[in-house]
Amino acid sequence: ETGVTQSPTHLIKTRGQQVTLRCSSQSGHNTVSWYQQALGQGPQFIFQYYREEENGRGNFPPRFSGLQFPNYSSELNVNALELDDSALYLCASSTSRTDMNTEAFFGQGTRLTVV
Amino acid sequence: AQKITQTQPGMFVQEKEAVTLDCTYDTSDPSYGLFWYKQPSSGEMIFLIYQGSYDQQNATEGRYSLNFQKARKSANLVISASQLGDSAMYFCAMRGPREDSSYKLIFGSGTRLLVRP
Repeated sequence: ETGVTQSPTHLIKTRGQQVTLRCSSQSGHNTVSWYQQALGQGPQFIFQYYREEENGRGNFPPRFSGLQFPNYSSELNVNALELDDSALYLCASSTSRTDMNTEAFFGQGTRLTVV
Repeated sequence: AQKITQTQPGMFVQEKEAVTLDCTYDTSDPSYGLFWYKQPSSGEMIFLIYQGSYDQQNATEGRYSLNFQKARKSANLVISASQLGDSAMYFCAMRGPREDSSYKLIFGSGTRLLVRP
């Protein structure tokens, strides 16, 4: 079990609403990445934060936004929820954004259902 | 663009036997990293093994080994002596491209492995 914790574990929201997902990084990890995993697919990169600044973004619309706090915990915010946003959202923390072989430690994810 | 392909949606293996999960990749970058992750039904992605593009030897971690064939752009995972607890989804992933400072992971679609007793 890694030291990355995510909350909540499950969430049901209505289309059009806003949601905030939270991630507590493993101790000493200054880099956090968020991934969306639709049912039956591999995770897709949303964005990464390094020392409180966005450090790369995948092909997701601006209604997906994030924050990283001084203690390196992070939030993922999604506005104007759509049915296709239903997925498992994974947070991954690591010690470096520059090393190719740095292992990313994942949390157990938040399963979001939009109805 | 970088891409990971896993062509086996599902695999069965008998307990205590070895199994190979296929992964091919596509990249024009000479420097890249390849990862395998295990995802049990709980959802957490568990790191298994890593292979760097410049590594001369195939990576091994306990019962896991990576059959890295650079010219063929394949990075197959071999699990020896399968155990019931190995039943899970397995994802191959690549880190890169190098010009992207995020070093994001690009995942394949996964292979579901079921170990039979």
